[in-house]
Amino acid sequence: QKEVEQNSGPLSVPEGAIASLNCTYSDRVSQSFFWYRQYSGKSPELIMSIYSNGDKEDGRFTAQLNKASQYVSLLIRDSQPSDSATYLCAVGNNAGKSTFGDGTTLTVKP
Amino acid sequence: DGGITQSPKYLFRKEGQNVTLSCEQNLNHDAMYWYRQDPGQGLRLIYYSQIVNDFQKGDIAEGYSVSREKKESFPLTVTSAQKNPTAFYLCASTDRARSTDTQYFGPGTRLTVL
Repeated sequence: QKEVEQNSGPLSVPEGAIASLNCTYSDRVSQSFFWYRQYSGKSPELIMSIYSNGDKEDGRFTAQLNKASQYVSLLIRDSQPSDSATYLCAVGNNAGKSTFGDGTTLTVKP
Repeated sequence: DGGITQSPKYLFRKEGQNVTLSCEQNLNHDAMYWYRQDPGQGLRLIYYSQIVNDFQKGDIAEGYSVSREKKESFPLTVTSAQKNPTAFYLCASTDRARSTDTQYFGPGTRLTVL
C-alpha cells in the first residue's frame, strides 16, 4: 500500500462543473496536507494547505480534511480549461518531510 | 525577487558519466530537497537537508550524492551508479523556521541519458 494514494484518473469534466479530487494517506500521525497543481512540463505550485479537520475555502478551491478517515479532498468549483493540470496530494509530518501521491490528471473541456 | 533557480534546464548524459545539477535559493530557507519525477508519477525524495553541512537520504538515494556547504546551495550529483537516471529533477525548499512543510519548487532540470 502506498503512503499517499490518489485516484489515478484521468478525470474529465465540462467547463463550469465541479471537479472532485480525492486522496487517502496511511500515516495517522500526519499533521499537514497539501494540494499542488502541476502543468505539463512545469514544476508543482501550491494550491491549498490544510491542517485541521473540516473545510478550507480559497476562491473556487475547497480542501476537505477528515483525519479519522485519513482522507483529504480538493473541490474545484466552476472549473475552467486553465484548471487542466495534474494535481498532487502531499502529506507532511511537520518534521520537514512530505510524501507525494502519484497525482490525478484533470482535463476541463470547453 | 526571491525564489529557487535550477540549472541547467536540460541536461544530456552519456553512459558512465557523472553530472551535477545545480540548485540555488534566496528565500533564506533552512531546508532543501531533491525529488525525482518519472512520467505519470509523483515525486520521489532523493535527499534532503535541514541545515548546512547535514543531509539525509530519502527513499531513492542510491546512485546520487549531495552536498550542503552553504545555506543557499544544494547541488545534486547523478553518478554512473544510477542506472536509469532519465527523469525530471526538482529542487525544493521549506521555511522550517515557520514550522511549515509547504514546499517551494524550482523550475526543474530534465536529464536524459544518451
